[in-house]
Amino acid sequence: QSALTQPASVSGSPGQSITISCTGTSSDVGSFDLVSWYRQHPDKAPKLMIYEVNKRPSGVSNRFSGSKSGNTSSLTISGLQAEDEADYYCCSCTSRRTQWIFGGGTKLTVL
Amino acid sequence: VQLVQSGAEVKKPGASVKVSCKASGYSFTSYAMQWVRQAPGQRLEWMGWINAGNGYTKYSQKFQGRVTITRDTSANTGFMEVSGLRSEDTAVYFCARSASWAFDFWGQGTMVTVSS
Repeated sequence: QSALTQPASVSGSPGQSITISCTGTSSDVGSFDLVSWYRQHPDKAPKLMIYEVNKRPSGVSNRFSGSKSGNTSSLTISGLQAEDEADYYCCSCTSRRTQWIFGGGTKLTVL
Repeated sequence: VQLVQSGAEVKKPGASVKVSCKASGYSFTSYAMQWVRQAPGQRLEWMGWINAGNGYTKYSQKFQGRVTITRDTSANTGFMEVSGLRSEDTAVYFCARSASWAFDFWGQGTMVTVSS
């Protein structure tokens, strides 16, 4: 498998909520509760937003939340803000937790 | 925590490149170091990782045999070398600290351009 499947783009207005899906297989997303999500602004390094499906690192807003069902994980951003406009990537452990695979990325536009 | 990578590189096809990632602000040997690349306008791509404590490495099948990840514990620095460069290897290469099965701190990225 080359990449986890994410929608190419999503959009929302300030204050609204959006959800980005991330679909893998029973060998990665479905096997481990080890999905993480990253936000990347143009020409910047990615930033960890969610780890282990639904945990937030210190300093990350509680507007970000994660979930998983079967082979699909989701990232929800509530109360959209202009600064949320960025690319978002999911990532999952695979192969006995010794390898990782990223999603194709989703461009979030805040209208 | 800070990860500082080496500067941009321009290489000819067939050459090798070695990118460094100097870590500070944490116990270097207590965490793994991951390497991820991103071609222009493309997605993030996982390349491999090293257990900075015991030196164990694991590579993506795509890069097995062409990428070598090492570390120097005395210098708190990780290295990623790509050999047999081709134009498709033009990308930004990132190092990242690995904790709780995620990449919690990232380097600033190193642009590697492969051009004749």
